[in-house]
Amino acid sequence: AQTVTQSQPEMSVQEAETVTLSCTYDTSESDYYLFWYKQPPSRQMILVIRQEAYKQQNATENRFSVNFQKAAKSFSLKISDSQLGDAAMYFCAYRSNTNAGKSTFGDGTTLTVKP
Amino acid sequence: DAGITQSPRHKVTETGTPVTLRCHQTENHRYMYWYRQDPGHGLRLIHYSYGVKDTDKGEVSDGYSVSRSKTEDFLLTLESATSSQTSVYFCAISEGWGRVGSGANVLTFGAGSRLTVL
Repeated sequence: AQTVTQSQPEMSVQEAETVTLSCTYDTSESDYYLFWYKQPPSRQMILVIRQEAYKQQNATENRFSVNFQKAAKSFSLKISDSQLGDAAMYFCAYRSNTNAGKSTFGDGTTLTVKP
Repeated sequence: DAGITQSPRHKVTETGTPVTLRCHQTENHRYMYWYRQDPGHGLRLIHYSYGVKDTDKGEVSDGYSVSRSKTEDFLLTLESATSSQTSVYFCAISEGWGRVGSGANVLTFGAGSRLTVL
């Protein structure tokens, strides 16, 4: 079974600064997908960014980028130019390419953005 | 929004009573999932469906059952609710999985249903 670990229960960042959220995972599979989801106080789960394991290039979406290290099984999220609206809980997720694509989530990191 | 609704959004019930949560989608996606979210545990998979009448257990399925009689509806039932089932329940849908296009692999979530069992 796959496991996803987010070692930082809480993080804070100053507005306009950069912050990196950590995620590691354990799997014996070679083909899979990784995601970061954001959950603001509204509780809605929102996709932030996704990475295909077979692609070496790190994914980017505007101010959000990832550092995907497949050999180290690491998948960190970098948020640049942090904004007050980035404050939320962030979940790292692993999605298998077998077994009906079941997903495993980390326990989340709560990000606070200070004005 | 992606056309996924959960009902009810909030429910308070008593121990021992049956509860059914409904997930309805208008995307015609094949895969549907039920997760529960508890403090300190992230999201944990309860049950999932890979087609009409095709369902399987997730990692925390004890005390829950599901049914899917139509593509658009996926029901989660607690036959006899217990206080340990107090949680926020999320439904998610997916067009596919595997190398069928990265967009198909994305899970889209409903807004969640908060269940309190007294």
